[in-house]
Amino acid sequence: SQTIHQWPATLVQPVGSPLSLECTVEGTSNPNLYWYRQAAGRGLQLLFYSVGIGQISSEVPQNLSASRPQDRQFILSSKKLLLSDSGFYLCAWSVQATRSGANVLTFGAGSRLTVL
Amino acid sequence: AQSVSQHNHHVILSEAASLELGCNYSYGGTVNLFWYVQYPGQHLQLLLKYFSGDPLVKGIKGFEAEFIKSKFSFNLRKPSVQWSDTAEYFCAVNPQAGNNRKLIWGLGTSLAVNP
Repeated sequence: SQTIHQWPATLVQPVGSPLSLECTVEGTSNPNLYWYRQAAGRGLQLLFYSVGIGQISSEVPQNLSASRPQDRQFILSSKKLLLSDSGFYLCAWSVQATRSGANVLTFGAGSRLTVL
Repeated sequence: AQSVSQHNHHVILSEAASLELGCNYSYGGTVNLFWYVQYPGQHLQLLLKYFSGDPLVKGIKGFEAEFIKSKFSFNLRKPSVQWSDTAEYFCAVNPQAGNNRKLIWGLGTSLAVNP
């Protein structure tokens, strides 16, 4: 069966420090991968998605970047964190759609980032 | 711009009460529709989905949703809620246009069920 791992679960970082959140998927190949940010009362905001190794689409201009060095690995990074980067980050995967459009998303447990 | 509206931000019910959470979207073409649920301390997970066919779809834990195309709605229902249904519920829409792999999310509805 497929599983998705996301770590670290919680992270407290000072302003200006770097960030690396990692997500890996097991039990499937060539998944679509996604990074979302979830804020209370504001729903889910898609940050990045990837349809293959090295292929990253950015949805919103921001202080963050994403990389996909391997088929089932998706990394969210920042060189210098801002206070506004605090939040709850979710990784998700889906199978490659057989037609245009997203398929069912499976989410990781999330990473709570606090920037001080 | 495409959007999803969940009319109720916070709902409080007593056990055995009936539930209906509203979801409307703004897109005139073909859509895939989803309800996701996030129980306290747990992963966000799929509750039910509609791709095509019977507009009344059934999901886990006795939930169902009805797609009404003319009203651009996909309301979530449950005839009798339980305390364990306390969670946050998200409606999401995937417009079937071009190469769109993105979901458009509602802001969520927080449901509290009192025992």
